[in-house]
Amino acid sequence: QQPVQSPQAVILREGEDAVINCSSSKALYSVHWYRQKHGEAPVFLMILLKGGEQKGHEKISASFNEKKQQSSLYLTASQLSYSGTYFCGTAGSTGNQFYFGTGTSLTVIP
Amino acid sequence: DAMVIQNPRYQVTQFGKPVTLSCSQTLNHNVMYWYQQKSSQAPKLLFHYYDKDFNNEADTPDNFQSRRPNTSFCFLDIRSPGLGDAAMYLCATRRTPTAPNTEAFFGQGTRLTVV
Repeated sequence: QQPVQSPQAVILREGEDAVINCSSSKALYSVHWYRQKHGEAPVFLMILLKGGEQKGHEKISASFNEKKQQSSLYLTASQLSYSGTYFCGTAGSTGNQFYFGTGTSLTVIP
Repeated sequence: DAMVIQNPRYQVTQFGKPVTLSCSQTLNHNVMYWYQQKSSQAPKLLFHYYDKDFNNEADTPDNFQSRRPNTSFCFLDIRSPGLGDAAMYLCATRRTPTAPNTEAFFGQGTRLTVV
């Protein structure tokens, strides 16, 4: 049930862009994106629903392709504060369960 | 205002000694989740409640139990903690699952150490 994310880890310099991918073997009804800093709880970024939706949150945006069962998170002009581990999250087939993807560690350096 | 509160933030327990972690919410959400997160890993769903309906994940060890006496509170009981149970335990809530586009709200987590 767990979605797979790629890459596992990425290191960026401030101002560079990154793309994080989330792929599921099962049908996706919605995709959530969260960022977690070390020792803290995950922080909600955005939700995408069906229909090829795209959303933006400051310089962070995402897309959702339900046919391919994939979502991508786009980080542009990265800032030091973007460092952390990014997780996609998906609801199970009944809508009750909520599973996290494998995670992508993002480090932004000066 | 804190909406999902976990207590305690840090818990040290002895090998084999039962321990209970608690979670409370002020959001009146139907669904509550417990996750286990080990170092450098993704949170792993242990079980969830939809109202009082308990749903266990197939690979959750029997050593882990849960109680939800009312909408606001949920407890995670570890009957005989082993060294491998040391982890961060996260509680989360969501509104009714008929609204799949709703975000999950997390508590700050309880860091469990087993000695």
